[in-house]
Parts: sequence; structure tokens; C-alpha cells
Amino acid sequence: AQSVTQLDSQVPVFEEAPVELRCNYSSSVSVYLFWYVQYPNQGLQLLLKYLSGSTLVKGINGFEAEFNKSQTSFHLRKPSVHISDTAEYFCAVSDRGLTGGGNKLTFGTGTQLKVEL
Amino acid sequence: GAGVSQSPRYKVAKRGQDVALRCDPISGHVSLFWYQQALGQGPEFLTYFQNEAQLDKSGLPSDRFFAERPEGSVSTLKIQRTQQEDSAVYLCASSPAGRNLNTEAFFGQGTRLTVV
Repeated sequence: AQSVTQLDSQVPVFEEAPVELRCNYSSSVSVYLFWYVQYPNQGLQLLLKYLSGSTLVKGINGFEAEFNKSQTSFHLRKPSVHISDTAEYFCAVSDRGLTGGGNKLTFGTGTQLKVEL
Repeated sequence: GAGVSQSPRYKVAKRGQDVALRCDPISGHVSLFWYQQALGQGPEFLTYFQNEAQLDKSGLPSDRFFAERPEGSVSTLKIQRTQQEDSAVYLCASSPAGRNLNTEAFFGQGTRLTVV
């Protein structure tokens, strides 16, 4: 079984400031890691994913995340946020070992990023 | 269509009523998932189809929940005798591959169900 913890339910930040959204996971098996963004009244959109290789992953809209296996973390960062980044952000994991079960995702409870002028 | 389409977008049901939620995945996608997202929470897995086969239904909360995908494309999530705790956004996602490979799940906008 897996679980995902997003410690911050809300993160207020001023426009053009840097931001970090924290994500920690727990799993007895190797996992893939994802960050999704959800704008109001819209579906989830994939920001980035870590499957293998370099632990620093770059995604869309200037976001990046770093996989830290020893700390079981996958924090999301952006060096300079924009008003349009205001949204809910979800961290998720998927079991690497599934052979027929598809990419079932376990999500965290989300972090509301609010960018202010 | 270009993306995953869900209908209706909004549904209000009286307690005890049966509801059916529809998902049109991206054409050709093998995998289809249903998730339930309660207010203020992250999505939680309900069930998974590979083509027409329901390979995992471990997340369905009770036997009032039933999902089908008879021809391996459109899927319907049915909830019988709805209860207030069923109020949530129901998300559908599809992905091109059946196995856990380098694929991305594409999500629909969801159906917001409110049970009154």
C-alpha cells in the first residue's frame, strides 16, 4: 500500500516569488511519482512525472521537482510564480510493479497555491 | 474528441435515487479509471478497466457502486440508492497502454454529484 502526504493545505505567495510545495510518500515498493494541477472547475492536468533517470524533473509552466529517495520526497518548485499559477496541486504515486493493473494513482490531499499581487 | 469527456457535468440527486455517470475516453485508449474526489480531498481510486475487462474494483466503497465498459470504450459508473456521503466529484481518466509503462493518464473534467 502507498500513501502520500502533502503537509501544506494552503500556500500563499506573492507574484514573482519562488515557491516550494512539499510532498512525501510512503510505499513498500518502488513507485513512479507525479504532480498534477487542477484549476477551478477543470480536470487534472499533468505537470511532471518521475519514472527513472535524473532525479530532477522539469515540467510544464516552469515547474520542476526533485526526487529524493532517502527522504521519500518529491517536492515541487518554481523560481518565480505568476498569478495564473493559482490552483490546487496534487502529488501522486503509482506502483512500478503492476503488470496488469494500469497506472492506478494514489493522491495526496492537495495544496492550494494562492498567488497574490 | 480531443480529450476525455464526462457527462453530465453536474448532477443533483435525491437521496435514494439511482444515478449513471458517463465517461467517453480518448479514442483508442486501453486503460480507463474512475476516481472519487470528495470536497477538499485528493482523488481516490474506485476502479480500473483494461479494454472491457474490469481488472480492479478494490476502491468501490460499497455494492451500491457498479461500473461497466461493455465494448471497451465508453464507461458508465452507476450508483444505486444514493446517499449523502456519495456527494463528490467523479473523475474519469484514460491512458493508451494497459501495463504500467511510460504513459500518462488523461483526466476528464469530472461530474459533480450532489445528493440532497
